Amino acid sequence: SAVISQKPSRDICQRGTSLTIQCQVDSQVTMMFWYRQQPGQSLTLIATANQGSEATYESGFVIDKFPISRPNLTFSTLTVSNMSPEDSSIYLCSVKHINTEAFFGQGTRLTVV
Amino acid sequence: AQSVTQPDIHITVSEGASLELRCNYSYGATPYLFWYVQSPGQGLQLLLKYFSGDTLVQGIKGFEAEFKRSQSSFNLRKPSVHWSDAAEYFCAVGETNFGNEKLTFGTGTRLTIIP
Repeated sequence: SAVISQKPSRDICQRGTSLTIQCQVDSQVTMMFWYRQQPGQSLTLIATANQGSEATYESGFVIDKFPISRPNLTFSTLTVSNMSPEDSSIYLCSVKHINTEAFFGQGTRLTVV
Repeated sequence: AQSVTQPDIHITVSEGASLELRCNYSYGATPYLFWYVQSPGQGLQLLLKYFSGDTLVQGIKGFEAEFKRSQSSFNLRKPSVHWSDAAEYFCAVGETNFGNEKLTFGTGTRLTIIP
């Protein structure tokens, strides 16, 4: 298993600003992912965070809006840039090894006003 | 592309009653299948998983699920629910292509327990 610490747990932000979310894992993991869960919806994969290289984004998500860093095997950040109310969601960090289950952080509940 | 369908958006059952949550998937190869639970304000917790072998898998909290390839289903069951089981339940399928591993989630089923 893996213990994931995600910060902040929640935030209220002004539109047009940016928020960086941190994800720290207690052990080295092969893969790290960022998901978005819009109100009342399921989880949608934003991107796979790659160590030392650019993240791999899913269709509909772009680096300018959601820049991601992963400097090592235990840490990643997701930035939500130039926020609008439509970005109000829960953002979840997820980690896994190859061919294993994924573990999730508690999520960051973001409200944009 | 893989996909997951959870046909029941909301289910209400009485405490002590049996439960079955439906999940159908679409995937070309042998799937990796998961059930996660999300309590209000919480992250996701893995209930159980199917990778291969016995098609009836046991999970935590008394849950089980059965993989039926012929029906492309992976339904979650519990013989007797407890009030603490009230939560959102997500079925997910994982890609098994090496180097391209990610999960696709269903839309979720919200479970309400009545006394």
